[in-house]
Amino acid sequence: ETGVTQSPTHLIKTRGQQVTLRCSSQSGHNTVSWYQQALGQGPQFIFQYYREEENGRGNFPPRFSGLQFPNYSSELNVNALELDDSALYLCASSEFTGEQETQYFGPGTRLLVL
Amino acid sequence: AQTVTQSQPEMSVQEAETVTLSCTYDTSESNYYLFWYKQPPSRQMILVIRQEAYKQQNATENRFSVNFQKAAKSFSLKISDSQLGDTAMYFCAFRNRDDKIIFGKGTRLHILP
Repeated sequence: ETGVTQSPTHLIKTRGQQVTLRCSSQSGHNTVSWYQQALGQGPQFIFQYYREEENGRGNFPPRFSGLQFPNYSSELNVNALELDDSALYLCASSEFTGEQETQYFGPGTRLLVL
Repeated sequence: AQTVTQSQPEMSVQEAETVTLSCTYDTSESNYYLFWYKQPPSRQMILVIRQEAYKQQNATENRFSVNFQKAAKSFSLKISDSQLGDTAMYFCAFRNRDDKIIFGKGTRLHILP
């Protein structure tokens, strides 16, 4: 176990709806990254938050947004869901201290968009 | 663009055998980190081993070791004395100076009894 938790574990939505996924980081970790993992693919970087500010973004549209809170939790919000948004969403937390640190992954949320 | 390529989509080996998973990457950076992650059927991604590009010595973690060839941009994972619990998807990953991880598409490894 990595100490990173995510909720819910599974979710079914319909096209056009909005969804919020949650992640609880390891205590003391000030950085959280979100990834989208389509079936049979490697995870793709969505964005990263450091001390509650967005700190880099991958090739995802603005309808993917996030928040990070002082209590080490974070959210991934996706608006106007599309069928291709169906995937496993992973969050990973780390402690950035000026050097590269190991990211610890949560178990993921499986999102199905119908 | 930085890319990570895993050329073996799927592999099977007998328990107790040694298996090597291949990975190549492309980057213009000189200092970076490389990782192998394991994702068992339960889904939680676990770090297997990491390698700092500035270190020439290959990293080892118990039965897991890497062969890091910086000039060739190659980073293979060797699993010795494979066990049934090693059955999983294995992802090679590259971490750039912006702290973003780029993953390969993975190799599905089956350890057969």
